[in-house]
Amino acid sequence: KAGVTQTPRYLIKTRGQQVTLSCSPISGHRSVSWYQQTPGQGLQFLFEYFSETQRNKGNFPGRFSGRQFSNSRSEMNVSTLELGDSALYLCASSLGGGTNEKLFFGSGTQLSVL
Amino acid sequence: AQTVTQSQPEMSVQEAETVTLSCTYDTSENNYYLFWYKQPPSRQMILVIRQEAYKQQNATENRFSVNFQKAAKSFSLKISDSQLGDTAMYFCAFMKQNTGANSKLTFGKGITLSVRP
Repeated sequence: KAGVTQTPRYLIKTRGQQVTLSCSPISGHRSVSWYQQTPGQGLQFLFEYFSETQRNKGNFPGRFSGRQFSNSRSEMNVSTLELGDSALYLCASSLGGGTNEKLFFGSGTQLSVL
Repeated sequence: AQTVTQSQPEMSVQEAETVTLSCTYDTSENNYYLFWYKQPPSRQMILVIRQEAYKQQNATENRFSVNFQKAAKSFSLKISDSQLGDTAMYFCAFMKQNTGANSKLTFGKGITLSVRP
């Protein structure tokens, strides 16, 4: 069974540009959540999608957005990139049907903003 | 809001020895889950162990076990017979139960564990 797949692995952008990251969950998983990891702030929750609907959101500006498709694949978009957006973006999937679930993480996308 | 604190930034242990990683948390919730995740250089977060707050018995997974003290809001991870492959960052994390959005994890800052040969 394939794990959580994130593409691309690495990305370099310049300030002001926008970027789209992709996450394919484990087959059968309907929940996808996104986390930002930086050396200074650590791991912070961005948002969660379940059945194509955003179910929960962290404290990030509106420049950070996401969506989920009918096949549960998810994308997150960051517009008007800032230097501080440089981070490892991790995606996690779970069945999403209730509590006591395990989250399975991908290997992340390393975004560098120059 | 919940907070998770890992006060030790790094630790080192000799191969085959035992090491304990500390974690404290703060919450007003009564029902929740606690986790330890491992992040090796590959960057993938791997679940090491999970504890349900309503369970008094400490969780164990092979060489990994926890000491869960609910009243003290303490959740430490013990790694027995340390192996070179245990070298990684370890994160303590908290999740509320029954929120309808159960995948929101609150993480500590992490601790870098090095296992010496």
